[in-house]
Amino acid sequence: SYVLTQPLSVSVAPGQTAKITCGGSNFGTKGVHWYQQKPGQAPVLVVFEDEDRPSGISERFSGSKSANTATLTISRVEAGDGADYYCQVWDSNRDYPVIFGGGTKLTVL
Amino acid sequence: EERLVESGGGLVRPGGSLRLSCVASGFIFKNAWMHWVRQAPGRGLEWVGRIKSKLDGETTGFAAPVKDRFTISRDDSQNTVYLEMNNLKNDDSAVYYCARDLPSCGGECPFDLWGQGALVTVSS
Repeated sequence: SYVLTQPLSVSVAPGQTAKITCGGSNFGTKGVHWYQQKPGQAPVLVVFEDEDRPSGISERFSGSKSANTATLTISRVEAGDGADYYCQVWDSNRDYPVIFGGGTKLTVL
Repeated sequence: EERLVESGGGLVRPGGSLRLSCVASGFIFKNAWMHWVRQAPGRGLEWVGRIKSKLDGETTGFAAPVKDRFTISRDDSQNTVYLEMNNLKNDDSAVYYCARDLPSCGGECPFDLWGQGALVTVSS
């Protein structure tokens, strides 16, 4: 099945820019979606279709995608951005049509 | 306010059954495609399955690990989606979230609204 690879952890100082990557095998037309999950809480959609932001999500969150790597960028990082971040795509595999990356823990130093 | 609230979690023995409910409010539920996603303790997110709207045939789909053991149904009159879990295994222990497809997405959509989750523990 399709695999999405994320770094286990990323650390960044407040006010700096965090970049969280999500590696896939030729994303092609697959839209990449990103979720933020804080401890004990449900995930929250922060970026969808590679680069779009849901209403209510800070413009500090942005997304981009190349052939094999999608990136979630968080500008001017704040303490409250510390969380786990997951990328997600839909795949044509009928047994595993929805794929999540393993998640990246963002630590704000 | 749009909201999803799960219930029905608990402790069940291996081989047992459990039904989770997810009640929606604040939006037109009958039009929504709904999903279940689970998260084992300390682990990442895993998609479980989906049910389309009645208008789109109420078709269901499941991930391989739960296919033939889990079913999803909906009652639009009660704004509720259900996850029926049978022949439960230790590996099914997780927090189970219901989630909604982004409205008007039209296909392979992200999940824009999530419930708070229901904990299922499978243990003897």
